[in-house]
Amino acid sequence: EAQVTQNPRYLITVTGKKLTVTCSQNMNHEYMSWYRQDPGLGLRQIYYSMNVEVTDKGDVPEGYKVSRKEKRNFPLILESPSPNQTSLYFCASSLFDSQETQYFGPGTRLLVL
Amino acid sequence: GQQVMQIPQYQHVQEGEDFTTYCNSSTTLSNIQWYKQRPGGHPVFLIQLVKSGEVKKQKRLTFQFGEAKKNSSLHITATQTTDVGTYFCAGPGRTNAGKSTFGDGTTLTVKP
Repeated sequence: EAQVTQNPRYLITVTGKKLTVTCSQNMNHEYMSWYRQDPGLGLRQIYYSMNVEVTDKGDVPEGYKVSRKEKRNFPLILESPSPNQTSLYFCASSLFDSQETQYFGPGTRLLVL
Repeated sequence: GQQVMQIPQYQHVQEGEDFTTYCNSSTTLSNIQWYKQRPGGHPVFLIQLVKSGEVKKQKRLTFQFGEAKKNSSLHITATQTTDVGTYFCAGPGRTNAGKSTFGDGTTLTVKP
């Protein structure tokens, strides 16, 4: 089944404790992207990747890192999480870029205490 | 940078009433996409509009893309409880194919 998977789905952590949220897609998509969703603010793009080893900032990249070492994986790294990073995170992928249909993962709900 | 605004933020309707959400971009868009997110779920692609003035229909849903390619609308005729959710429009970056800007969404609730 074609899908985007994220792990973990739920995470409670404390300020400053490094964490990684994994994202994987099995559709051989070139493009992957991370979004955060907060009430009343819609989906805001954090980082995106056009291909392996090619990543770039979205609108809210501060406090986040990403890597794209393999085509299928695009992990989101929070080196030192803070409470303002408490949010719902979605990973998405598309065939080539943001002009194509984006397929979203199920989401990761993060709470930073 | 590119901004995409969506109104209204919330809409409560009685089942059977019509519903419309509007999307306005600060810049001309190459295309516009619409997504639906059910409560507790993830955004799911509905449709993409590319041409100026384009109108597309999916059963009770009608999507329009403005002549200037800066605005769009989604109209649902005779809403049903299955239409509940948040509807987002999204515009890809005009000069940057990696950027993607979503509207804040319109959350629709339907009273049976």
